[in-house]
Amino acid sequence: AQSVTQLGSHVSVSEGALVLLRCNYSSSVPPYLFWYVQYPNQGLQLLLKYTTGATLVKGINGFEAEFKKSETSFHLTKPSAHMSDAAEYFCAVSEANTGNQFYFGTGTSLTVIP
Amino acid sequence: GAVVSQHPSWVICKSGTSVKIECRSLDFQATTMFWYRQFPKQSLMLMATSNEGSKATYEQGVEKDKFLINHASLTLSTLTVTSAHPEDSSFYICSAIFGGSSYNEQFFGPGTRLTVL
Repeated sequence: AQSVTQLGSHVSVSEGALVLLRCNYSSSVPPYLFWYVQYPNQGLQLLLKYTTGATLVKGINGFEAEFKKSETSFHLTKPSAHMSDAAEYFCAVSEANTGNQFYFGTGTSLTVIP
Repeated sequence: GAVVSQHPSWVICKSGTSVKIECRSLDFQATTMFWYRQFPKQSLMLMATSNEGSKATYEQGVEKDKFLINHASLTLSTLTVTSAHPEDSSFYICSAIFGGSSYNEQFFGPGTRLTVL
């Protein structure tokens, strides 16, 4: 079965510091990979996705992620944290042969310290 | 493009009553819609997968008689929580798949906060 692991349920960074949120997955076939952000009492907003092609993916709000097949990872980074980045972040994986089902990680809560 | 709406955004009801939540794809036809519930500080839990014109497929442990899902058109799916109880209080989120998408991308609604008193 597919599984998604997000190491660190809570991450705190100083404003202006590097943001690194980790995501590892298990998949026997090439996956589709997604990062979503969720603000309190709101739905999920897509930050970026990897489907095919270039393994370094750039998303909105200055975020990017790199698909590393050898490490089965899709870590999310941002060079300089902003206060508005404080939110919950979810990594999700999908496979073409699973009827479009998403497998979500448990989420990482990002706190930005002024 | 690819906007999904939910109505209502929040609802408070008495124990024993039924609550209907609507999920609409506003600018595309959704062949498949998904319903999730999310408890505080937790991830999304898939409840069911809904395809237009057919019965929903429920995940293990989800009571289909309690959580009634109807997907009558390509732009509307409804989730009815029947005889709601306080333990049903949660954040319910729907998502939809664009009919022509090759990459399984789901577009999420803003969520509905249900509080059962």
